[in-house]
Amino acid sequence: GQQLNQSPQSMFIQEGEDVSMNCTSSSIFNTWLWYKQEPGEGPVLLIALYKAGELTSNGRLTAQFGITRKDSFLNISASIPSDVGIYFCAGHGLLSGTYKYIFGTGTRLKVLA
Amino acid sequence: DADVTQTPRNRITKTGKRIMLECSQTKGHDRMYWYRQDPGLGLQLIYYSFDVKDINKGEISDGYSVSRQAQAKFSLSLESAIPNQTALYFCATSDFRTAPGAGAFFGQGTRLTVV
Repeated sequence: GQQLNQSPQSMFIQEGEDVSMNCTSSSIFNTWLWYKQEPGEGPVLLIALYKAGELTSNGRLTAQFGITRKDSFLNISASIPSDVGIYFCAGHGLLSGTYKYIFGTGTRLKVLA
Repeated sequence: DADVTQTPRNRITKTGKRIMLECSQTKGHDRMYWYRQDPGLGLQLIYYSFDVKDINKGEISDGYSVSRQAQAKFSLSLESAIPNQTALYFCATSDFRTAPGAGAFFGQGTRLTVV
């Protein structure tokens, strides 16, 4: 199935460090979304971006909608142990004649205290 | 109570058995989706429904069928389960009528094991 390219696949970081991850696509999207999934739970929406170039924050999280509309970035500042989880990007747009969400493969984050 | 509820949360079934996973929502959203999650592969779309009478295949619909019994209910069936359908299954909803692209909301998932 169609999926977005998300990197890195996984990362171990020290508590207090900043984290960056990104997502790229061959398709243009109208909306970029970032989700977090914790073990045993469904993905939870963190940030939604609606316009090319838009920069949006949610606490220590900041995400950007790429100018080309084909990519997006998520930064987490001063990471803490509860940031551990899998982060997914998703794009929403008109694909093959219908609007749908396409998800990235996820970035697994582990924070070392 | 969760806005998007999936039942069962866990299920072990035998190869060849028919199994149904159920999803109900209280968000009043028009669109509902079924996704499959495999380790390292993210979320893949199985089926989606824009309304009660509108059902569409996703990228990996083979071996699955769905039923949208009401706006709030969307069930996924495996007609004859096989081991490579062992995965985590998620139902999701979105409100396209008033907030297109605003984000899909997920249930807690059903872990299905086919032995």
